[in-house]
Amino acid sequence: SFELTQPPSVSVSPGQTARITCSGDHLGDKFASWYQQKPGKSPVLLIYQDTKRPSGISEQFSGSTSGNTATLTISGTQAMDEADYYCQASDSSTYVVFGGGTKLTVL
Amino acid sequence: EVQLLESGGGFVQPGGSLRLSCSASGFSFGFYAMTWVRQAPGKGLAWVSSISGSGGTTNYADSVRGRFTISRDNSKNTLYLQMDSLRVEDTAKYFCVKDREGGQWLLPTKPSFNYWGQGTLLTVSS
Repeated sequence: SFELTQPPSVSVSPGQTARITCSGDHLGDKFASWYQQKPGKSPVLLIYQDTKRPSGISEQFSGSTSGNTATLTISGTQAMDEADYYCQASDSSTYVVFGGGTKLTVL
Repeated sequence: EVQLLESGGGFVQPGGSLRLSCSASGFSFGFYAMTWVRQAPGKGLAWVSSISGSGGTTNYADSVRGRFTISRDNSKNTLYLQMDSLRVEDTAKYFCVKDREGGQWLLPTKPSFNYWGQGTLLTVSS
C-alpha cells in the first residue's frame, strides 16, 4: 500500500527557513498537499498540487517536489508557526493518504 | 462563508453503532465531493471515506470498509457516516472535510481539502 513518510520533528530558529520533507513512491507523479494543524484546532490547507497556495495563505509557505520527495518550506519562521504539519497525496491503491505528521518547533 | 458542523459523536461500546452527521453551508453542496478524516487522540490524520457530490461514487479506507457507510442528502446539505461493528481503535475525532476541486460525479483525481469542520469525538470503550 502507498505510504508517505515524514520526519517526526523539525526544529528551527526564529527568522530562519524550515523545510519539512515527505517521501513516497513516485510522489512526484501524485500531487502533494500540505496542512497545518495547531493544538486543538482543525487542519488548514497550505499547499495543493505540489506548489499552489490557496487564497489567504501567506507567501512564507511554499511547496516543491523532486523525485519521490515533496518539501514544504516555511520562510522567516515565527513562533506562531509552531504546529503539526501533514502531507497528503492520492494513489490508485488508497484514495487518500496522509503522512505521519511533523511537529515543528521554533526554538 | 463555508461552514461544516459535525454532530453525533459520543460514547459507544465495542460492537455498537453510531451515525455521524455533517451539516454544510456556504457553498453548492451537491457539486463537491466530501470526505471523513479521523484523528485518534495524540495521533495523526487518517482518511476514512469519501463520496462524490452526486453520492454515486464512494471509497473507503481498508480499516473501515464493510463496517462504515458514507452517504449524503443533498436536499438537506448533510453528509453522514454510519458506523457499525465499532472497535476500540475507531476512537478518534472525526472531521468532515470539503474537497477543494469539485467531484460532482466522480471523486477528484487529485483530492485536497480546503475546508474542515471542528470535528466530533467518538469514544469506543467497554
